[in-house]
Amino acid sequence: EAQVTQNPRYLITVTGKKLTVTCSQNMNHEYMSWYRQDPGLGLRQIYYSMNVEVTDKGDVPEGYKVSRKEKRNFPLILESPSPNQTSLYFCASSFWGASNQPQHFGDGTRLSIL
Amino acid sequence: AQTVTQSQPEMSVQEAETVTLSCTYDTSESDYYLFWYKQPPSRQMILVIRQEAYKQQNATENRFSVNFQKAAKSFSLKISDSQLGDAAMYFCAYRSAPYNSGSRLTFGEGTQLTVNP
Repeated sequence: EAQVTQNPRYLITVTGKKLTVTCSQNMNHEYMSWYRQDPGLGLRQIYYSMNVEVTDKGDVPEGYKVSRKEKRNFPLILESPSPNQTSLYFCASSFWGASNQPQHFGDGTRLSIL
Repeated sequence: AQTVTQSQPEMSVQEAETVTLSCTYDTSESDYYLFWYKQPPSRQMILVIRQEAYKQQNATENRFSVNFQKAAKSFSLKISDSQLGDAAMYFCAYRSAPYNSGSRLTFGEGTQLTVNP
């Protein structure tokens, strides 16, 4: 089954404790991205990657890091989480060069930073 | 940068009736794609319908259709014969062509749709 898998689905942690949210897709997609969803703001792109070792900032990259060492994986790293990063996070993927194709989304990760 | 605006934070409709959700966008690009996504309480992001900017014909998918007005930069979603399962948050989204802006997806703020029995 074609899917984007995010882990964990829920996480409560404390300020400053490094965390990683994993994202993996099994569709051989080149393009992967991370979004955060906040009430009244919709989804905003954090980082995206057009292929292995190619990443770039989205609209709200501050406080986040990403890496793309393998085509299928695109982890999101919060080196020193702060309460303003409490949000719902989505990973998504699609083929590069096919903008008419929808992005496939993971089921979301609810992060709470205390 | 592109922006997407959904001016209706909440909408409600009676079961079996028709409702239209509004979306406007701002862009200087000529080649782009527009989408409506549905997010039920399960928080999955589900594609409802898509529209290529170069196509004049409005897209339809069963009970869902769009009114795409390129000159006005408007992309509204019409849901006919509304069902209880249509209750969800609906997001309008814009995607640039691959050679523009990294082909990012820009979302509107969302419209929460309630369907009353």
